[in-house]
Amino acid sequence: DTAVSQTPKYLVTQMGNDKSIKCEQNLGHDTMYWYKQDSKKFLKIMFSYNNKELIINETVPNRFSPKSPDKAHLNLHINSLELGDSAVYFCASSSIQWGGNGYTFGSGTRLTVV
Amino acid sequence: DQQVKQNSPSLSVQEGRISILNCDYTNSMFDYFLWYKKYPAEGPTFLISISSIKDKNEDGRFTVFLNKSAKHLSLHIVPSQPGDSAVYFCAASASGSARQLTFGSGTQLTVLP
Repeated sequence: DTAVSQTPKYLVTQMGNDKSIKCEQNLGHDTMYWYKQDSKKFLKIMFSYNNKELIINETVPNRFSPKSPDKAHLNLHINSLELGDSAVYFCASSSIQWGGNGYTFGSGTRLTVV
Repeated sequence: DQQVKQNSPSLSVQEGRISILNCDYTNSMFDYFLWYKKYPAEGPTFLISISSIKDKNEDGRFTVFLNKSAKHLSLHIVPSQPGDSAVYFCAASASGSARQLTFGSGTQLTVLP
């Protein structure tokens, strides 16, 4: 039973398209995150939601819009995709006051924009 | 500005020997440090952590050492096994920041049989 699941795992799409990545966690955590792993392999935080409320919003183009319908789901919608959006996107979850083991990550969505 | 740095992109060690992975940080507000392990096509998984009030934490074959004055931490794996071959990420967090994790760029560890 997957703790943090993301769909799809792979996404190939053309420039200019709009796409969504879905994330669900069954751990009972109250906080969810989106991270982007770029070509240099850095994991950089994009957004964080606590109980459906946005608490972290890093410098990300406004073409990226997170949506949290409930605390178990955090989806990422990307408008007008660009070549530079190609990356691996990871969803993660935690309790807001996690102690010791940080986040639980999903397996990632590899987005390729052509 | 990279607040967490892993300066060795790769490391190869012989099976049975010790693997030492290093991490440096610049933000003195960081008070919790973690190591994650990542296999290809999977998400990072938690390995071991240490609070800034400690200088060592051990879990089986894995030990993390923290040197606050040098802003340096290291992960020791003894003995190294082929299944340890993965990318290891160092991460750090400051209290009061919604516990946001800041990651290094990772070190690819290859354990040779």
